[in-house]
Amino acid sequence: AQSVSQHNHHVILSEAASLELGCNYSYGGTVNLFWYVQYPGQHLQLLLKYFSGDPLVKGIKGFEAEFIKSKFSFNLRKPSVQWSDTAEYFCAVSNSGGYQKVTFGTGTKLQVIP
Amino acid sequence: GAVVSQHPSWVICKSGTSVKIECRSLDFQATTMFWYRQFPKQSLMLMATSNEGSKATYEQGVEKDKFLINHASLTLSTLTVTSAHPEDSSFYICMLGGETQYFGPGTRLLVL
Repeated sequence: AQSVSQHNHHVILSEAASLELGCNYSYGGTVNLFWYVQYPGQHLQLLLKYFSGDPLVKGIKGFEAEFIKSKFSFNLRKPSVQWSDTAEYFCAVSNSGGYQKVTFGTGTKLQVIP
Repeated sequence: GAVVSQHPSWVICKSGTSVKIECRSLDFQATTMFWYRQFPKQSLMLMATSNEGSKATYEQGVEKDKFLINHASLTLSTLTVTSAHPEDSSFYICMLGGETQYFGPGTRLLVL
């Protein structure tokens, strides 16, 4: 069975600080990896996804993530956060191929202080 | 991308009543849809996989007799919470798609 772990439950940063949120998954096969963001009172939005190819994936709003297969990791990064990045971030994994269920991590709440 | 709608967007009901939530794919035919539940300040937990024309597949710990799923067509899946209780109060979200997921906007259920 798949599982996803996010190490940081709550992160507080000042504006302009760099961000890295950890994500590790467990699954023996080929996977697709995702990062979603949920702003307060809103539903999930896809930040970025990895299926294959370049392990460094760039997403929206200046976010990027790096897939390191040997470490089963898919950490999310942003060089300089803004107050508007305050939200909850979910790492997720699915088996590759169509119509696969998605397993979500427990989420990391990011609070950016102006 | 595909557009997914859910109805109702929110519902308040008395304990013991049943609530039906619809998930519609407006421009995508989906043989498989997924139902998730998100409790406040928690992550999305998969409840079941809805398969068009066949029985749903439930995750461990989810009561299939309490959460009835019907996927009667390629564009509609329904989740019925039978005899709802306050602990069923949650945010219910459907998802469809293959390697690209499309989430519904969610249905907030409050059971009094």
